[in-house]
Amino acid sequence: DAGVTQSPTHLIKTRGQQVTLRCSPISGHKSVSWYQQVLGQGPQFIFQYYEKEERGRGNFPDRFSARQFPNYSSELNVNALLLGDSALYLCASSGMDRSTDTQYFGPGTRLTVL
Amino acid sequence: DQQVKQNSPSLSVQEGRISILNCDYTNSMFDYFLWYKKYPAEGPTFLISISSIKDKNEDGRFTVFLNKSAKHLSLHIVPSQPGDSAVYFCAARGYNTNAGKSTFGDGTTLTVKP
Repeated sequence: DAGVTQSPTHLIKTRGQQVTLRCSPISGHKSVSWYQQVLGQGPQFIFQYYEKEERGRGNFPDRFSARQFPNYSSELNVNALLLGDSALYLCASSGMDRSTDTQYFGPGTRLTVL
Repeated sequence: DQQVKQNSPSLSVQEGRISILNCDYTNSMFDYFLWYKKYPAEGPTFLISISSIKDKNEDGRFTVFLNKSAKHLSLHIVPSQPGDSAVYFCAARGYNTNAGKSTFGDGTTLTVKP
């Protein structure tokens, strides 16, 4: 079975540009979460979507937005890129069982802002 | 305010010996804890978890211990193998919080020397 897939693998942008990252969850998973991992730090929660609705948002500015499609894939958009947005962006899918479920992560998209 | 802390950025052990990775948390609402392992160019992979109703969970060479009064958990790897060399993240989530919203520590890089 395919795991979580993300595209593109790497991306280079300049300040002020906009970027769209894509994620396909594991088959059967309806929840997709996005995390930002800056070098030397752990993943920081950005968004969670479930059944196309936003279910949670981390402490990120409005430049960050996301959506989920009927097939449960998801896009993360970042506008007006800043140098500090350079990071590994991880997508994770999961079920919604609160007691025992864990997340399955994709390989990430490495974004470099110049 | 970092709610999950891994105070040791790195740890080096000899093959065959025990590796002990530590994690502290400050949020009393956390009640489910997970460890993830991350290799370069890959997303984090779930390793082992523990609920706050337990103080120990074991899975093969990996054991997680939870001390709720001290708000501390540790991951023991016995015996350590060179293939265990990776970054280990501690993560936590609260009661009634689904798997898609976890708070991560900054990770500990484990190096197992042959």
